[in-house]
Amino acid sequence: IQLVESGGGVVQPGRSLRLSCVASGFTLSNYGMYWLRQAPGKGLEWVAVIWYDGSNEYYTDSVKGRFTISRDNSKNTLYLQMNSLRTEDTAVYFCARDLETFGGIIATLDFWGPGTLVTVSS
Amino acid sequence: IVLTQSPATLSLSPGDRATLSCRASQTVSIYLAWYQHKPGQAPRLLIYDTSNRATGIPARFSGSGSGTDFTLTISSLEPEDFAVYYCQQRSNWPPITFGQGTRLEIK
Repeated sequence: IQLVESGGGVVQPGRSLRLSCVASGFTLSNYGMYWLRQAPGKGLEWVAVIWYDGSNEYYTDSVKGRFTISRDNSKNTLYLQMNSLRTEDTAVYFCARDLETFGGIIATLDFWGPGTLVTVSS
Repeated sequence: IVLTQSPATLSLSPGDRATLSCRASQTVSIYLAWYQHKPGQAPRLLIYDTSNRATGIPARFSGSGSGTDFTLTISSLEPEDFAVYYCQQRSNWPPITFGQGTRLEIK
């Protein structure tokens, strides 16, 4: 089982970036998926969650209206579209899988990727 | 729900017993997990729902507690156990919330 994030980089405030997370070793369509982040010197912060079939999604308050989580199960890929980026969005972004399968989602994250760094700076 | 971990840093030697605490601002029942995180690596699920070890986690890791007070115990530290540990609640989500972390360092 592997999750590999990509798409990070340096971007100016107000600009956009799309992160990808490619899953292998399991069937993505059976699992709820998450994005989380860790700002420099800080702890882990949940960002967004999407149900296994894309039917529900939730966001932390600080990114609502700016970030969109989505998935393409046919490509085994999870996405995070980040618009109107702010300096406080600077962080390592992780994707992670829910422990439960076949339609369940229990907010327990059993596999994570190593992360991709997003730096928002002018 | 705010999770507060203590201590912030724990300095121990290989072979020692480690006890890490996590306190919730309101009850989370048994819905608390623990993760291990090393710099530059993916976080790793250790314990879920207070006391269930995740797949492949050694028996030296154990969890206990209920309601608002929880403990992660590492019975005999191995060199690879030195890392940052986070607790996380799923009792009332979203949002999912994490504690601020405990850094377990070699004495």
